[in-house]
Amino acid sequence: EDKVVQSPLSLVVHEGDTVTLNCSYEVTNFRSLLWYKQEKKAPTFLFMLTSSGIEKKSGRLSSILDKKELFSILNITATQTGDSAVYLCAVEPVGGAQKLVFGQGTRLTINP
Amino acid sequence: DAGITQSPRHKVTETGTPVTLRCHQTENHRYMYWYRQDPGHGLRLIHYSYGVKDTDKGEVSDGYSVSRSKTEDFLLTLESATSSQTSVYFCAISESGGSNEQYFGPGTRLTVT
Repeated sequence: EDKVVQSPLSLVVHEGDTVTLNCSYEVTNFRSLLWYKQEKKAPTFLFMLTSSGIEKKSGRLSSILDKKELFSILNITATQTGDSAVYLCAVEPVGGAQKLVFGQGTRLTINP
Repeated sequence: DAGITQSPRHKVTETGTPVTLRCHQTENHRYMYWYRQDPGHGLRLIHYSYGVKDTDKGEVSDGYSVSRSKTEDFLLTLESATSSQTSVYFCAISESGGSNEQYFGPGTRLTVT
């Protein structure tokens, strides 16, 4: 059974801190890994990673994938209160229809 | 934002009643998905569609059925609602071909009393 595990489940930091969110997976045939941000509404897409060792970056957010060790990390530098959200990791196995298997999410709270 | 709407946005219903949730897209995407989101479980796939009249089960499909008679609409039906189906339901869409991200609708909060 395909499985995605995120850690920590919850994290509280102060504004300006740097955070690292973890996502490990067990998938029979891996195609891609995706990160989403969810505030009090629908998840919004952040990154898709398919190749190992290549960092994806968008402003203060970056992510990298390690296909050998089966994990990904999402880094957020110089955090702001607007970064407070649930961050979801999902893996797409090979098999058609682009189905995603989601982790439980990490709830990140940034205190001013 | 991707053109995805869900209706209703909120619904309270009684145990044993049928409920239909609607997802409508204006992006002409091939794939459509229904998820439920519960505390501690993230998003779990209920059913998905890979074309008109082409649907398949996800990991938590028991008690749910779907239909897709047009590209733009994907309906989720709870034949006889139970309290365990109280949840937030999200619809998502994805383009065909390759590895493409899914875009999510605003969600429907369903409460079964």
